[in-house]
Amino acid sequence: DAKTTQPNSMESNEEEPVHLPCNHSTISGTDYIHWYRQLPSQGPEYVIHGLTSNVNNRMASLAIAEDRKSSTLILHRATLRDAAVYYCILRDQGGSGNTGKLIFGQGTTLQVKP
Amino acid sequence: KAGVTQTPRYLIKTRGQQVTLSCSPISGHRSVSWYQQTPGQGLQFLFEYFSETQRNKGNFPGRFSGRQFSNSRSEMNVSTLELGDSALYLCASSPSYEQYFGPGTRLTVT
Repeated sequence: DAKTTQPNSMESNEEEPVHLPCNHSTISGTDYIHWYRQLPSQGPEYVIHGLTSNVNNRMASLAIAEDRKSSTLILHRATLRDAAVYYCILRDQGGSGNTGKLIFGQGTTLQVKP
Repeated sequence: KAGVTQTPRYLIKTRGQQVTLSCSPISGHRSVSWYQQTPGQGLQFLFEYFSETQRNKGNFPGRFSGRQFSNSRSEMNVSTLELGDSALYLCASSPSYEQYFGPGTRLTVT
């Protein structure tokens, strides 16, 4: 499975945008980039995913580099509730089928200061 | 829709015993995956079931097993418990690409 690299921790001020980076230099053509987050004392929560184009949803935006070797999760306006561990995960949704196997790294712990 | 539910939420067992954990997926979801989370190893994939068949398996010893029923509910079993099996066990169900996680079962082995 291809590996991702994320900073261990980041800090942000409330109501400011947050850019969470992820490097995945060994990504393959059929790997989708998924982001999950885990709030304290909860199970992980799906945030967003994409393949090549930038993606937006109500929670966040995902910016994918043209060579796909890196991506950035963007929280447009951080709130205290966004303090969590954010995981960038590559998921092969190609010929092996749409399996439910997610390989979690250590993630980025985001602190949001009031 | 109700979310993923896991029972029990907390469990204390003694080394050498066995334990069964239960997971009820979101209605209509046919894929159920299990994960183990510990402070040292983080989140690790155990196995995935789809339509009552194990579709994928992580690198865990044979003491860890699971099954899925025709209504998509799933159980995982750990036999001959070891102290290192103390962890949060998370279940996730999926309709396609995204996974929805339950709150987990906190297992403590003494």
